[in-house]
Order: sequence, then C-alpha cells, then structure tokens
Amino acid sequence: EVQLVQSGAEVKKPGESLRISCKGSGYTFPYYWINWVRQMPGKGLEWMGRIDPSDSYTNYSPSFQGHVTISADKSISTAYLQWSSLKASDTAMYYCARQDYYDSGGSLGDYFDYWGQGTLVTVSS
Amino acid sequence: DIQMTQSPSSLSASVGDRVTITCRASQSISNYLNWYQQTPGKAPKLLIYAASSLQSGVPSRFSGSGSGTDFTLTISSLQPEDFATYYCQQSYSTHTWTFGPGTKVEIK
Repeated sequence: EVQLVQSGAEVKKPGESLRISCKGSGYTFPYYWINWVRQMPGKGLEWMGRIDPSDSYTNYSPSFQGHVTISADKSISTAYLQWSSLKASDTAMYYCARQDYYDSGGSLGDYFDYWGQGTLVTVSS
Repeated sequence: DIQMTQSPSSLSASVGDRVTITCRASQSISNYLNWYQQTPGKAPKLLIYAASSLQSGVPSRFSGSGSGTDFTLTISSLQPEDFATYYCQQSYSTHTWTFGPGTKVEIK
C-alpha cells in the first residue's frame, strides 16, 4: 500500500527555523516526484514546489522561491520542506503529494495521486 | 501564468441530486485538467484526471468532461459522503501546477 506519512504538528515563533518531513512507503521512492502544497486556514490549495528524489532536482513556484527549501534523502525515502526564518503568514497546513504520469495520446499528463495526511504549522509569538 | 476559476464557489444540494461544478482556465489547457475532493480535516483525494478519466476506486457517479478552457465535474446522484470541497487543477503548464479556488458542496 502506497503511503506518505508526514511529521507532526509544529508550533513555532516568528524568526525560528523549521523542517517538516514526508516519508514514502509501499513504492519505489526515487521513481516519483514529491510535491508540496500549502493550505492556509479556510483557504484553497497552492502548489509550492516539487523534488525528484532520484537526484534532488527541484522546481519552485515563483510565489515560494527563496522562502522555502525542498530537499530529499532517497536512502530513507523522505522528502523535506524547510524554512530558515518563519513568519506568522506561514501558518498553514502543508501537504506532500506524489506525482504520477499518464499517457495522453502520445504526450504525458500528470496528477497528484497520493497525499500525506498534512502537517499543521502554527507560527505565533 | 494560467489562472483557474470555478463556479459556483458554493452550492447547497440534497442527497440524490445531480450536481455540476464548472472550472475555467485562462487559456487553453487541452485536457490537462484534474479534479480533487477534500473533506473537512482530510487531505485532497484525486477523483478525475485528464479531464474525464476516473481514478481507480472512485465511484462511477463522478464524471468529468471538457477540453480547452471549459470543464465540468458532475456527481450524478449526490451521496452523504460527497459533501466536500472540490478543486480543479491544471497540469498543462511546464513546471507549474495551479488549483482552482474550490467549490464547497453543502447539505441543503
């Protein structure tokens, strides 16, 4: 069974650093990109960025580039999302999601087929 | 950047009703459109990919259609477990994935 299990809820102060994790199991971890998605309280889904665990190549949304860092350790099937200096506006639920591909008439499409349970990050003084 | 819009933003319906949600892209995205369902306190769940392909394990009362800029998600007979928020997502752009703002389906 494919599973993505995320680390637990965090309460931090502004300016503190944080790294949350997403551990994959039930599949070959390096074969699938891992994405990170933010959901602020009462709001919709925002794609933040993704990583190829096989070589740690990353893509970031322009909205999040420079504010977060995505990394992975394929030896322990785990992806990470980290902040060096949190702000109150980083308060949100963060989801990791596996990306898979399908053949769309000769070209590839993709979707997020498995999601972690979410990690709630609260930043408050 | 491709922008996604959804309508309505919310709707009230009864069990057994037929429900249709619309998603529109700011430019043509062919059929690179996915639908997700999110129930309160849970992670999103993939329902439909490639605009009309049903993800494995998803009930057949869910269906999707459309191409280009206009897409629909239809629930043929609403069930109690279907009360949730539904998001469309475009996967056409290179290295950028955009979600719609969501449609909340509530109990009438």
